[in-house]
Amino acid sequence: AQSVTQLGSHVSVSEGALVLLRCNYSSSVPPYLFWYVQYPNQGLQLLLKYTSAATLVKGINGFEAEFKKSETSFHLTKPSAHMSDAAEYFCAVTGSGGNEKLTFGTGTRLTIIP
Amino acid sequence: NAGVTQTPKFRVLKTGQSMTLLCAQDMNHEYMYWYRQDPGMGLRLIHYSVGEGTTAKGEVPDGYNVSRLKKQNFLLGLESAAPSQTSVYFCASSYSRVLTGELFFGEGSRLTVL
Repeated sequence: AQSVTQLGSHVSVSEGALVLLRCNYSSSVPPYLFWYVQYPNQGLQLLLKYTSAATLVKGINGFEAEFKKSETSFHLTKPSAHMSDAAEYFCAVTGSGGNEKLTFGTGTRLTIIP
Repeated sequence: NAGVTQTPKFRVLKTGQSMTLLCAQDMNHEYMYWYRQDPGMGLRLIHYSVGEGTTAKGEVPDGYNVSRLKKQNFLLGLESAAPSQTSVYFCASSYSRVLTGELFFGEGSRLTVL
């Protein structure tokens, strides 16, 4: 079974500051990890994914995440926050065992302070 | 380019009533999914389909039924709605399996059961 824990349901950062959204995973098999973003009144969009290739994954809109097996983490970062980054972010995990279940975290709402 | 379209976008039901949510995708995707999103709980998989004519149970299937008679459509039915089914429902589709494929989401259907 797989699960993810997102630390902090709400995060606020100033425009131009570093964005750090935390995600820790639990998986009995090698995990595949994803970050999705949800803008208000919209569906989710894929930001980036880790599928056992490079541990540092770059995504859209300047976001990146690093897979750290020793820490069971997959934190999302962006060097400089922009107002348009305000949204809800979901970490998700699936196992390499072949089932179709993508398990989502509870989400982190990111607020950007002008 | 419509992508994934959900109808209706809003619906209010009384306890015991039935309804069907329709999901249509125009990307020729094999895989389709129904999720529900509840505050503080992230997204949970209700049912999914790996191809026309096939369906499978997800994490929270009780009280729901689905059908995939046509490749482009995935219907979610509530036979006897309950207040616990008040939620935002998201349909998603993907070209390939969760391990390698990106999920494309609809904009959601907000259901309230009184």
